[in-house]
Parts: sequence; structure tokens; C-alpha cells
Amino acid sequence: DSGVTQTPKHLITATGQRVTLRCSPRSGDLSVYWYQQSLDQGLQFLIQYYNGEERAKGNILERFSAQQFPDLHSELNLSSLELGDSALYFCASSVEGLAGALGNEQFFGPGTRLTVL
Amino acid sequence: AQSVTQLDSHVSVSEGTPVLLRCNYSSSYSPSLFWYVQHPNKGLQLLLKYTSAATLVKGINGFEAEFKKSETSFHLTKPSAHMSDAAEYFCVVSVRAAGNKLTFGGGTRVLVKP
Repeated sequence: DSGVTQTPKHLITATGQRVTLRCSPRSGDLSVYWYQQSLDQGLQFLIQYYNGEERAKGNILERFSAQQFPDLHSELNLSSLELGDSALYFCASSVEGLAGALGNEQFFGPGTRLTVL
Repeated sequence: AQSVTQLDSHVSVSEGTPVLLRCNYSSSYSPSLFWYVQHPNKGLQLLLKYTSAATLVKGINGFEAEFKKSETSFHLTKPSAHMSDAAEYFCVVSVRAAGNKLTFGGGTRVLVKP
């Protein structure tokens, strides 16, 4: 158990809808990262928040947005959903804001599997 | 920009035999390198990470990887496979100059036969 929790585990919705994925980082971790894992794109970094502020952006669509709240939990909002958004969405957390810095290991949650019908 | 190529999408080994997962990276700057493992329906777990102090890196569960700058490789090995090693493995690179974001390889799925 990494200490990172994600809800819900599974989400099934229809095209055009909007969903919110939630992540609670490990106790003491200030950084939260979101990743998307799909069969055709593999694992891709979406966005990082550090202590409430956006720190880095990856291949995140404009239809997607995220935020980190004062209690450090984070939410990923996906809107105008398309079939191609079906994927496993991971959240990870680390102590500091330097994503790939040595010693700043990222701890991954179990993921939310999103299915868009 | 940095990139990672995992040379085998699937590897099949017998229990008790060595495991070799191949990874090549591309980077204009000195990289940080990692191997992560993903068991079915689980999140990713860090196996090991490369520091500039030693080119041979030891990780958890008997895995190790060797950084070879001249070959731009970071292959993962284990002397004796166990059934519990069946999983997907990801080689990952990050570069400070690129904001330290993680770039993942395509993954290698390992099957362990009894």
C-alpha cells in the first residue's frame, strides 16, 4: 500500500459527460501528479500540483483540468468526454516539487479506471 | 527532449531462470533513470533509481540495473525469476532541464512460467 488513495476505482459514463476523479496524497507529501494510461498512448504525464499551485503541465487536453485543495487532496476534472478518454488515471505524490529529482520518489495510487460509452 | 525505448513488449521466462528487460534512453542532458513495476490492477511501484554515484543500482526484490552511458542503456536484470515477478515493467527517464517530468517507456510485460 503506497499511502495514496484514489476514488472511485471504476467509473462508467457516457460521451459528452463530465466526471471528477479524486486523489489523496501520502501524509506529508506536497506534490500531486496525474497520469493517464491507455492502450494506444501508454503512460503519459498530465499535470503536477505542488502545495496548491500548478507546477508542471504535460499532455493534458483543454477539456481536462485539475486543482489541489488546501488539505492537499487533488481532483482531476474531465469534461465533454469522448470514447478515447477511456483509460486508467493514476495519481502520484511526492514530498517535494521536483518531479524526477533523485530522492524525490513518486508514490502511485491504485488508479481510477474510466470507461466512456 | 528525452525519450525511452523498451526493446521488448513481452518477455517470457521460466521460474528460476534469469530475467533481462532492455531499456534505451535518449537525452541531451544527464538523466535520472528509474524502473517501475505494475502488477495487475495495481498502481506503479518504484523498483530502483539511478544515482550518479554508482552505475550498478540495486533495487527491491532482487532486481538490479546497470547504467551504461556509452550505450545509453539502463537494462533491468534479476538472477532468478519468481512467479510473483509476473507484471509490467516501465523504464522511466527524467531530466532536470526539462522540468523533471517523468517520461515512460512503452512497458515490458513479463510472463513467468512454472
